[in-house]
Amino acid sequence: EPEVTQTPSHQVTQMGQEVILRCVPISNHLYFYWYRQILGQKVEFLVSFYNNEISEKSEIFDDQFSVERPDGSNFTLKIRSTKLEDSAMYFCASSRTFLQAYEQYFGPGTRLTVT
Amino acid sequence: QQQVKQSPQSLIVQKGGISIINCAYENTAFDYFPWYQQFPGKGPALLIAIRPDVSEKKEGRFTISFNKSAKQFSLHIMDSQPGDSATYFCAATRPNAGNNRKLIWGLGTSLAVNP
Repeated sequence: EPEVTQTPSHQVTQMGQEVILRCVPISNHLYFYWYRQILGQKVEFLVSFYNNEISEKSEIFDDQFSVERPDGSNFTLKIRSTKLEDSAMYFCASSRTFLQAYEQYFGPGTRLTVT
Repeated sequence: QQQVKQSPQSLIVQKGGISIINCAYENTAFDYFPWYQQFPGKGPALLIAIRPDVSEKKEGRFTISFNKSAKQFSLHIMDSQPGDSATYFCAATRPNAGNNRKLIWGLGTSLAVNP
């Protein structure tokens, strides 16, 4: 069964460093998302992406964040200058079509630890 | 108005019992209400979902009950099994101007089913 994959599973970085979190969505999906979950807290929407453009972003997704689909398979989240409060589990998700955009399939997540 | 409130935070049920998790929302623009199941170390997985024009949806041992006038919905797990032990998230979504969607999540319920 196709699944969303994410790498790395755990990333440790120092405050102020840039990190790139990578995702490979399900191959025939067209809509892509990033969410994050701070330990013990709710899952929060960061950004949605379709047709090589951001569809919607949350207030969390400020100028330090960017997303890119550099090729036909990868979807990346970049944090330019990490802060301690960026420590969280980051989930990538994808959905097939607009009509099925409510069915989002999640990857296993990348745990980002900022020290 | 964008919040989804979920209760209880944790739940312990005996094997064979019924697990009930409740959620409430404010925004009447939400048009799809999914439940996600998350095992430790894994990403959330879509379990079952309902639209507001339906009062109940059943898939195997999992049932969503929906009360549109009260803006509440609940997940019932019948004949709960130890393998159901996981964190359950309710969510709500609506299409945005870009014809995409984001999931608004409840805080999650940690379910433990005792053998």
